[in-house]
Amino acid sequence: GPKVLQIPSHQIIDMGQMVTLNCDPVSNHLYFYWYKQILGQQMEFLVNFYNGKVMEKSKLFKDQFSVERPDGSYFTLKIQPTALEDSAVYFCASSLVDSGNTLYFGEGSRLIVV
Amino acid sequence: GDSVTQTEGPVTLSEGTSLTVNCSYETKQYPTLFWYVQYPGEGPQLLFKVPKANEKGSNRGFEATYNKEATSFHLQKASVQESDSAVYYCALSVYNQGKLIFGQGTKLSIKP
Repeated sequence: GPKVLQIPSHQIIDMGQMVTLNCDPVSNHLYFYWYKQILGQQMEFLVNFYNGKVMEKSKLFKDQFSVERPDGSYFTLKIQPTALEDSAVYFCASSLVDSGNTLYFGEGSRLIVV
Repeated sequence: GDSVTQTEGPVTLSEGTSLTVNCSYETKQYPTLFWYVQYPGEGPQLLFKVPKANEKGSNRGFEATYNKEATSFHLQKASVQESDSAVYYCALSVYNQGKLIFGQGTKLSIKP
């Protein structure tokens, strides 16, 4: 089936540093999403993105977070600066239309902030 | 706000027994309902979805009926296999809202 690729698969970073998580969504998809999953807990919506803009973001999407997709390249989640509570697995997803359509998820980027 | 509540896990069953994972949802709008499955080290993947009230979805022996009156979407399987061990998420999306809302997930372990 359609594949969403995420880079890196895991990263360890010092608190206060910047991290960028990269997502290569399904090629003809138009909507992009980031979800956060702390170990053993549920998937929590962070943000969605369409037509070059953030459509909606949750309370978890702090001011230190930003997303972009410059010129149709990777869809990125940047955290600057990182905090200990940012340690989690971040999942990227994409869908052809809005979320009434199926979301396809990547395998996640495990972020450990020390 | 919109929300999804499902059976607390973990759930452990023996191979060949039946499974029910309860899912209830709350929304004032018209949802599409989903069941996703997540295997260790992977992202969630769609098991099936049902966009219309009182219809049933199914895949790989799993099924669920979108019960609008009861606001439920319980997952069932008649005979589970060891390969069904995973975390199962009930989820909903609402028309014109760009997000999928997940339940807390139910971890299922099947003993051979």
